[in-house]
Parts: sequence; structure tokens; C-alpha cells
Amino acid sequence: AQSVTQPDIHITVSEGASLELRCNYSYGATPYLFWYVQSPGQGLQLLLKYFSGDTLVQGIKGFEAEFKRSQSSFNLRKPSVHWSDAAEYFCAVAFPRTSTTDSWGKLQFGAGTQVVVTP
Amino acid sequence: AAGVIQSPRHLIKEKRETATLKCYPIPRHDTVYWYQQGPGQDPQFLISFYEKMQSDKGSIPDRFSAQQFSDYHSELNMSSLELGDSALYFCASSPTSAITDTQYFGPGTRLTVL
Repeated sequence: AQSVTQPDIHITVSEGASLELRCNYSYGATPYLFWYVQSPGQGLQLLLKYFSGDTLVQGIKGFEAEFKRSQSSFNLRKPSVHWSDAAEYFCAVAFPRTSTTDSWGKLQFGAGTQVVVTP
Repeated sequence: AAGVIQSPRHLIKEKRETATLKCYPIPRHDTVYWYQQGPGQDPQFLISFYEKMQSDKGSIPDRFSAQQFSDYHSELNMSSLELGDSALYFCASSPTSAITDTQYFGPGTRLTVL
């Protein structure tokens, strides 16, 4: 079955330290990969996405993610976190359909990782 | 820049009542997605529309129905509400139904069923 896993439910990091959030997927081919951030009481905001090409993707707010086919992973990183990065982060995938019609874009989300930033 | 608008932002209903959630996509976006996020859960895909036609369906209960209107806004109708329907309901829109198009999420409607 197709799935996306975020192994870490909760991560605490000090302000200024680096951050890495893990995401693994299970699929026979490379899905379309996304990272979203959700601040309290807010909607989901796209940080970055990967479809093909360069496996290191740059996003907004200083985030980047690296796709590793051999590990079926798409981990999100930030070199130096700010207090405003405290939020919940969701990895999401979209699995292309096998029909000849357009691939529909419904997203399947991981369980999310709650990031807490300490002074 | 215009964003996705959802109304109402908060809704409180009793069990067995009905609720209607509205979504106004970004102008010129013809695709709408609905997601349900239960407390402490990840968002779950419910249903999507492309050019006013249902394009995909997820884990949406039979008590729920949805449609997309001629002006591309969408409504999610929920009947015989249950306590378990309490959740944050997100609408997202994208320029087309292509998988490569970014989905822009609205702020959500928080539904509380008492």
C-alpha cells in the first residue's frame, strides 16, 4: 500500500541550531513530494516540492529538502532555526494515477512533526 | 495576493444537525480539494472538483456531499452530524488539476459537534 511516514512526532530544538525532519514514503516509483507547515490556528503553507531533477530542493523561509531515491526519503532541513519556525510540519505525497488522464493532485499527508523551539 | 476564503471560520452544531461549509478558491483556480483534519491528526483527503465536476473521492462519509458551482466556489454539506465529525476542514485550490500545481490552502473551518 502507498504510504508516507514521519517517524518523529515531536522535536525540540534550540534557537540557532539546525533542524532535520524525516519523511519516508512507500511507493513503487517516485511520487510527487511536498513539505507543508501549519502554524497554530493557521492553514497549511507549502514550503517546497519535488517532482524531478535536482534532488536538493530549496524552499521558502530558508528550508531545503533532499530527495534520496535509495532511501525513499525526502527530509527537510534548516541550518539555523528561528523561534518563528515553531509549528507543525507535514510531509505529503501525491501518487500519480496510471490512467491516461491527468494525474489528480490529492495529497496524502504524514502524521506530522511538531517542532518546538527553545531559547 | 488573493487567498482561499473559507466560511464560516468556526461552526458549532448539535448532533444530528446539518452544516454547510463554503470555499471560495483563488481567482482563476478551477480545482478545489477538501480535507478533514481531526484533533491531533493529519489532514485526510475527502473530495475534489475540477471544472465543476467531481474529480476524485477519498474517505468521505455518505452523509457528506459536495459540489462546485459555476463561479468555482464549492460547498461541503454535512448531514446527521456526529461527534466524530468535529474537525478542522480545509479547502485548497489550484490552477488546474495537474499534480504539479501547488495547492493553496485556506485557513480552515473549525467544526465542533456537541
